Amino acid sequence: GENVEQHPSTLSVQEGDSAVIKCTYSDSASNYFPWYKQELGKRPQLIIDIRSNVGEKKDQRIAVTLNKTAKHFSLHITETQPEDSAVYFCAAFDSGTYKYIFGTGTRLKVLA
Amino acid sequence: DSGVTQTPKHLITATGQRVTLRCSPRSGDLSVYWYQQSLDQGLQFLIQYYNGEERAKGNILERFSAQQFPDLHSELNLSSLELGDSALYFCASSVGGSPETQYFGPGTRLLVL
Repeated sequence: GENVEQHPSTLSVQEGDSAVIKCTYSDSASNYFPWYKQELGKRPQLIIDIRSNVGEKKDQRIAVTLNKTAKHFSLHITETQPEDSAVYFCAAFDSGTYKYIFGTGTRLKVLA
Repeated sequence: DSGVTQTPKHLITATGQRVTLRCSPRSGDLSVYWYQQSLDQGLQFLIQYYNGEERAKGNILERFSAQQFPDLHSELNLSSLELGDSALYFCASSVGGSPETQYFGPGTRLLVL
């Protein structure tokens, strides 16, 4: 079955700097890769997603890149702000099993 | 607000008891997913229903069961509760079973004493 690894587990950056979180997946049948932001005690909220037929997608300060050959995808946040502080989860949708497999999360801390 | 509702918000119960968590998907969504999130842990996929039928199963214990009703709401039943079952339980919904955006509900926080 699909396995998703996420790194780093914690990340501290200075306000205004960029943050990059990386995920790798194992099953080449996975074809949809969302990223979620979760604040303490709240629901995960989708911030960006990418499908396997696209290499890069951008939405303002957030971008996601996908390398299908290497089976990894990354979240890039530019010009970070304190309100970006949260836990970020990547996920892969396994089209063979209809399951979303989540990474273990990255706790991002943006220091003012 | 994602449009997905979950009740109750909080639940405190004792070991050995049984509880039922309820989820109403967004209007028009046919798929419902259940996840468990223990303290400071990731999201563990439990089970998915699509239009009333079980579609995918994850790491769901035999003590847990779920169903999706004709009106598309879903219930997750947890029985013979143990201390380790204390967690946030999230429901998510999407339009269909294909790779589409999932929208998460606010979660039910279960505390087993």
